[in-house]
Amino acid sequence: GEDVEQSLFLSVREGDSSVINCTYTDSSSTYLYWYKQEPGAGLQLLTYIFSNMDMKQDQRLTVLLNKKDKHLSLRIADTQTGDSAIYFCAESRTGNQFYFGTGTSLTVIP
Amino acid sequence: EAGVTQFPSHSVIEKGQTVTLRCDPISGHDNLYWYRRVMGKEIKFLLHFVKESKQDESGMPNNRFLAERTGGTYSTLKVQPAELEDSGVYFCATRVDTGELFFGEGSRLTVL
Repeated sequence: GEDVEQSLFLSVREGDSSVINCTYTDSSSTYLYWYKQEPGAGLQLLTYIFSNMDMKQDQRLTVLLNKKDKHLSLRIADTQTGDSAIYFCAESRTGNQFYFGTGTSLTVIP
Repeated sequence: EAGVTQFPSHSVIEKGQTVTLRCDPISGHDNLYWYRRVMGKEIKFLLHFVKESKQDESGMPNNRFLAERTGGTYSTLKVQPAELEDSGVYFCATRVDTGELFFGEGSRLTVL
């Protein structure tokens, strides 16, 4: 199937870590992505990981990839109110195709 | 440099009417994608242009949807006649060959 699945909602307190999870179905995916959508804006690429990597760290963001379980996660350290947004997981496959999840709406409570 | 721009930002029409959405890509981006997000659901692929050619239109829901990209620049997505289930946010995204996908802000369509 084509499904990329995410939880719809997540709430965390400011300063805590947030972990957003995603499962995908296609083991042939080449890249996996995290996009962020702020209110009234388009999706912006946050970070990505190549499918032969297990982990990627970029400042407050850590991406973990478990290929065996087809599980991708995004950890945001020291979550701030400005991190409140919808986060989309996406995978790219051969043929230039992208498949997106439902998006996880992150609410940061001050 | 201007980003991907979409017009209109929001359109409210009645069932049976026609709506045309427009996407202006970033200059030089040959690849142009249309996606749709229905509330609470995933962002679903509709189709992919490479320049003016339809590379993949497997995601188009039915023949009420028509996408064009004459001249390989801007693209339009027409829905005729619109149905209630067509409501959602239509995103356009563009990129060069293998680079990052850049998204527009989306066009919200509400069919009453």
